[in-house]
Amino acid sequence: SAVISQKPSRDICQRGTSLTIQCQVDSQVTMMFWYRQQPGQSLTLIATANQGSEATYESGFVIDKFPISRPNLTFSTLTVSNMSPEDSSIYLCSVSEQGLGYNSPLHFGNGTRLTVT
Amino acid sequence: TQLLEQSPQFLSIQEGENLTVYCNSSSVFSSLQWYRQEPGEGPVLLVTVVTGGEVKKLKRLTFQFGDARKDSSLHITAAQPGDTGLYLCAGVQTGANNLFFGTGTRLTVIP
Repeated sequence: SAVISQKPSRDICQRGTSLTIQCQVDSQVTMMFWYRQQPGQSLTLIATANQGSEATYESGFVIDKFPISRPNLTFSTLTVSNMSPEDSSIYLCSVSEQGLGYNSPLHFGNGTRLTVT
Repeated sequence: TQLLEQSPQFLSIQEGENLTVYCNSSSVFSSLQWYRQEPGEGPVLLVTVVTGGEVKKLKRLTFQFGDARKDSSLHITAAQPGDTGLYLCAGVQTGANNLFFGTGTRLTVIP
């Protein structure tokens, strides 16, 4: 199965700044997703990262706040812009090797634990 | 609104006891997956159920998909401390190509 490297693993940032999280996969994958996990809670899908085109955002998430890049089939970045303490969460990159229509699982990175002060 | 509701939200039991976690929705899913997440790591897939009424067993874990494909359950027999973690159900809605996670059940098994 795909091995996902996500960095940084954690960061403490000041409000008003931006942080870019990188996700590198060791093989080409069909689908890449970004999730947010607030403290003690489940995962919420932010967006689907589309290769070579704009990401598809879920309700409540916008490109200006969470710009996403996916230049190729093995790499994606998520930027958390103009951060506030409410953005403190774990951000997780995940991939599906075949596409979810084939009932293939999601593989996750270990996440980026972000604290905004 | 949460698409997939899990119950209970928290569960603390003694080693050796049995437990059941439920995952319910008003929506139909083409498949449901169960994941377990440990601190500092991403979720790891336990099982995928696809057919309504399907039952899958993974050692001491039994997974069931409801006949109408709207709900699922996870039963653990003789729980062990190594079962401690956050259990998440996740579903793919028919015709969609993304995965939505349930509200989660945090299980603690006390030695």
